[in-house]
Amino acid sequence: GDSVTQMEGPVTLSEEACLTINCTYTATGYPSLFWYVQYPGEGLQLLLKATKADDKGSNKGFEATYRKETTSFHLEKGSVQVSDSAVYFCALKANDMRFGAGTRLTVKP
Amino acid sequence: NAGVTQTPKFRVLKTGQSMTLLCAQDMNHEYMYWYRQDPGMGLRLIHYSVGEGTTAKGEVPDGYNVSRLKKQNFLLGLESAAPSQTSVYFCASSYSKARVAEAFFGQGTRLTVV
Repeated sequence: GDSVTQMEGPVTLSEEACLTINCTYTATGYPSLFWYVQYPGEGLQLLLKATKADDKGSNKGFEATYRKETTSFHLEKGSVQVSDSAVYFCALKANDMRFGAGTRLTVKP
Repeated sequence: NAGVTQTPKFRVLKTGQSMTLLCAQDMNHEYMYWYRQDPGMGLRLIHYSVGEGTTAKGEVPDGYNVSRLKKQNFLLGLESAAPSQTSVYFCASSYSKARVAEAFFGQGTRLTVV
């Protein structure tokens, strides 16, 4: 069945460091791919999405490119801030939505 | 501007007790979902609904029941709670089953079964 595998972490970075969180997927069809972010004590919020191969989703300085050839959707940010500290979930949607295990990011001043 | 609202936010149950979690959305979405979130396992789909009066099983439906009597509400029931059901429960809704349609989430219910 469809599944998502992401780097589990936790990841700890200093402010202004570069971020990459790896995400790979397995799907039989042509899914859409999503990154969700969960801030402490809150529900998941959509961060960005891409709906077809080679699409790039971007929001709040974060980017991810839908790579069909490597079945990947890695999340990147060039300069993280303390306010980016959260748990990040990669997800795919074909028939239903499947989530990765989540990656906890802590950014220190 | 409520979006998806879950009640209660926290609950402690004794083994064998029953309870109902309520999810309400004000976005006129057809699709509603219940997930559970456990450490290291991400979110797993319990049950979902594709419209008023319909429900279907997800990945981990055992021990749960659901009802969708009104379009805006989706209830998750635990008839006889077990410690394995200790988790954070999230409700979500979506305007479409189409793969491009994202899900909107509530703030979660933290349930502890002792």
